[in-house]
Amino acid sequence: GAVVSQHPSRVICKSGTSVKIECRSLDFQATTMFWYRQFPKQSLMLMATSNEGSKATYEQGVEKDKFLINHASLTLSTLTVTSAHPEDSSFYICSARDPFEETQYFGPGTRLLVL
Amino acid sequence: AQSVTQLGSHVSVSEGALVLLRCNYSSSVPPYLFWYVQYPNQGLQLLLKYTTGATLVKGINGFEAEFKKSETSFHLTKPSAHMSDAAEYFCAVTVPNQAGTALIFGKGTTLSVSS
Repeated sequence: GAVVSQHPSRVICKSGTSVKIECRSLDFQATTMFWYRQFPKQSLMLMATSNEGSKATYEQGVEKDKFLINHASLTLSTLTVTSAHPEDSSFYICSARDPFEETQYFGPGTRLLVL
Repeated sequence: AQSVTQLGSHVSVSEGALVLLRCNYSSSVPPYLFWYVQYPNQGLQLLLKYTTGATLVKGINGFEAEFKKSETSFHLTKPSAHMSDAAEYFCAVTVPNQAGTALIFGKGTTLSVSS
């Protein structure tokens, strides 16, 4: 199947700083990418839908000024957690949709710890 | 609107026994259905999917699922469990041919396999 990478896999930062997470589709082009957040032992919560060349669509309750999403190319989307706080600590997972297969492929996730 | 219900948050089987993970969906249009597996601290891996055509779909690692429209079900099965099958399993549904539509996930089922 198609491969999606995320970087970094783990990151620790101080409260008040910003963290950027990259999501790349390695062997296909994705017009749409998605960002999810997962709490321990829970399902994935959709945060936002990212379309190449346009503004992201955020789910209700997700602060767009805090979670900045940029989808600059057909193979790269970034999520920046601005002014991170301990409650932002979580597991963030991206997915990229292969339009020819109408299937979402997921990255390995990024574990964020805010001290 | 679409939704997914996974019956049983935790399923335990013995090695070599049949695995049955239940998934029921709700959709106003013919859906696309997916099963993903998640190992600890990792992203989601696609096991199998149903889009159109044959209602019995085979996936990786010996898993298969059958789309039953009359029962609105897409249960996941494997004839003989292996220790390595222990993981979290997610059933998901989406609307066909809509690029910006995210997957709707069930709450997940934890599969434990004992020797």
